[in-house]
Amino acid sequence: KAGVTQTPRYLIKTRGQQVTLSCSPISGHRSVSWYQQTPGQGLQFLFEYFSETQRNKGNFPGRFSGRQFSNSRSEMNVSTLELGDSALYLCASSLVGGFQETQYFGPGTRLLVL
Amino acid sequence: GENVEQHPSTLSVQEGDSAVIKCTYSDSASNYFPWYKQELGKGPQLIIDIRSNVGEKKDQRIAVTLNKTAKHFSLHITETQPEDSAVYFCAAGTNAGKSTFGDGTTLTVKP
Repeated sequence: KAGVTQTPRYLIKTRGQQVTLSCSPISGHRSVSWYQQTPGQGLQFLFEYFSETQRNKGNFPGRFSGRQFSNSRSEMNVSTLELGDSALYLCASSLVGGFQETQYFGPGTRLLVL
Repeated sequence: GENVEQHPSTLSVQEGDSAVIKCTYSDSASNYFPWYKQELGKGPQLIIDIRSNVGEKKDQRIAVTLNKTAKHFSLHITETQPEDSAVYFCAAGTNAGKSTFGDGTTLTVKP
């Protein structure tokens, strides 16, 4: 079974631009969560989608948004990029996102904002 | 909200020695405690987890202990090998489904 895939793997943008990242979950998984990983802040939860609906949300500004499609693939968008948005963005999938369910992480998209 | 503190931030051991990483959490409602291993260029991978109704769990060279009264849990790796070198994250989760992660421990196993 193929793992979680994320595209692109690397991205360079400039301040003020916007970016869209994509995540394809493991086949059959319906829950997709997004995390931001930085050296100073560790792994921070962004949001979780299940059946095309945002079910949980972390403490990030409205510039960070996401969506999920009917095939469970998910995208996250960051508008008006700031230097501090430079990070590794990870997505994780699980069957239904249930309590104590194992999350499977993708390799991440490394975003650099100049 | 939940706060998870992880120590140490870096740990260096000789091959064959044991490694211990400790985490404390603040939310008494937390009842699920997974540990993840992240190798260079990869996403975190679950290596072991423990529920609040269990005090200890072991899987070959890896064990996790939980003290709910003190709100801390630990990862123990015995007979360390160079391939154990990675960043390890602890996390604490509640019934609401969200997990809060520690800041990570970079483990280096010297051959």
